[in-house]
Amino acid sequence: DIQMTQSPSSLSASIGDRVTITCRASQDIRNDLGWYQQKPGKAPKRLIYAASRLQGGVPSRFSGSGSATEFTLTISSLQPEDFATYYCLQHNTFPRTFGQGTKVEIK
Amino acid sequence: QVQLQESGPGLVKPWGTLSLTCAVSGASISSSNWWSWVRQSPGKGLEWIGEIHHAGSTNYNPSLKSRVNISVDKSRNQFSLNVKSVTAADTAVYYCARGAIFGPDYHGMDVWGHGATAIVSS
Repeated sequence: DIQMTQSPSSLSASIGDRVTITCRASQDIRNDLGWYQQKPGKAPKRLIYAASRLQGGVPSRFSGSGSATEFTLTISSLQPEDFATYYCLQHNTFPRTFGQGTKVEIK
Repeated sequence: QVQLQESGPGLVKPWGTLSLTCAVSGASISSSNWWSWVRQSPGKGLEWIGEIHHAGSTNYNPSLKSRVNISVDKSRNQFSLNVKSVTAADTAVYYCARGAIFGPDYHGMDVWGHGATAIVSS
């Protein structure tokens, strides 16, 4: 299986901060990666697909970059509604695998 | 607008079979997309279970493959998950999701259901 390692596992940030989350794949997955936001008691919501393409309806403060084994999700200016857990998901190889998640908390 | 809705018994006895259904609205299950199941154990991360195409092709997570079956009912525009011989480790929120296809390419799970909780307990 391809291991997806996210860092950090949690972070504290303030409103307006720039936040960066990294996901590393254990092997080359090209750009077959998505980023998801999950709030407590809710289903995951896709933010980014194909590593860097913004899902329709998602605010432009979210962006994704990277390819092969290293990927980044950036929130340019953290808003109150962005406090949540974020996951990466690779779909290059079966089984599809998620990162362990990054919890973004209020400082 | 595509919507997915999971349903099924919330309580399953140990060594029984967990059965869930995902009803699809706003899209045909006979489209080119794949239809997936993902679960999340209490306080844990997300685990992909498997997926099905309307033509009958399936892909499963090897960690669960021996106990899992995913099927599709085109007449009802829904797909189902069966997990047999369940234990407490199968207690989780189960999500169904659409795996989007654009042209020849798979583009990941873009639409998700709200989730259904399944508890394994006697």
